[in-house]
Amino acid sequence: DSGVTQTPKHLITATGQRVTLRCSPRSGDLSVYWYQQSLDQGLQFLIQYYNGEERAKGNILERFSAQQFPDLHSELNLSSLELGDSALYFCASSVAGEGTEAFFGQGTRLTVV
Amino acid sequence: TQLLEQSPQFLSIQEGENLTVYCNSSSVFSSLQWYRQEPGEGPVLLVTVVTGGEVKKLKRLTFQFGDARKDSSLHITAAQPGDTGLYLCAGENGGSNYKLTFGKGTLLTVNP
Repeated sequence: DSGVTQTPKHLITATGQRVTLRCSPRSGDLSVYWYQQSLDQGLQFLIQYYNGEERAKGNILERFSAQQFPDLHSELNLSSLELGDSALYFCASSVAGEGTEAFFGQGTRLTVV
Repeated sequence: TQLLEQSPQFLSIQEGENLTVYCNSSSVFSSLQWYRQEPGEGPVLLVTVVTGGEVKKLKRLTFQFGDARKDSSLHITAAQPGDTGLYLCAGENGGSNYKLTFGKGTLLTVNP
């Protein structure tokens, strides 16, 4: 158990819909990262938050957004969903933003039908 | 864009065999991490290498970071079925942001 909790574990929704994925980092970790993993693209970095503020952005679509709350949990919002958004979405956390190791949650498997 | 190429993409071997998987890039990374991911689970960190030329051993696993900090290898001795999984390398580009660039992984199957 990495200490990072993601909910829900599975999500099935229709195209055009909006979903919210939730992540609780390890106790004491200030940084949260979101990754998308699909079969053809591998593990892709989406976005990073550090202590409530956006720190780095990766290949995140405009239809996607995230935030980190004062209690350090984070949410990833995916809207106007398309079939191609079906993937595993992972959250990871680390103590600080620089050069520290990231610990991953078990992921949310999103299926868009 | 920094890219990490992992090879081979798939590897199926018999228990007891040795193997090496590779992680290569044209970019320099300040550190490189290896993860193992099992089906339905998130990646689990195995090791972080920081210094060019560094070698780290974790029981039957040996990790090496290239002198130029652009490539790395993972060698497994006497593989066991429990070693089965997706092995991912990830490079950290340093600076004030912490962003890991992942390779697509090597899917290892160790048959009993």
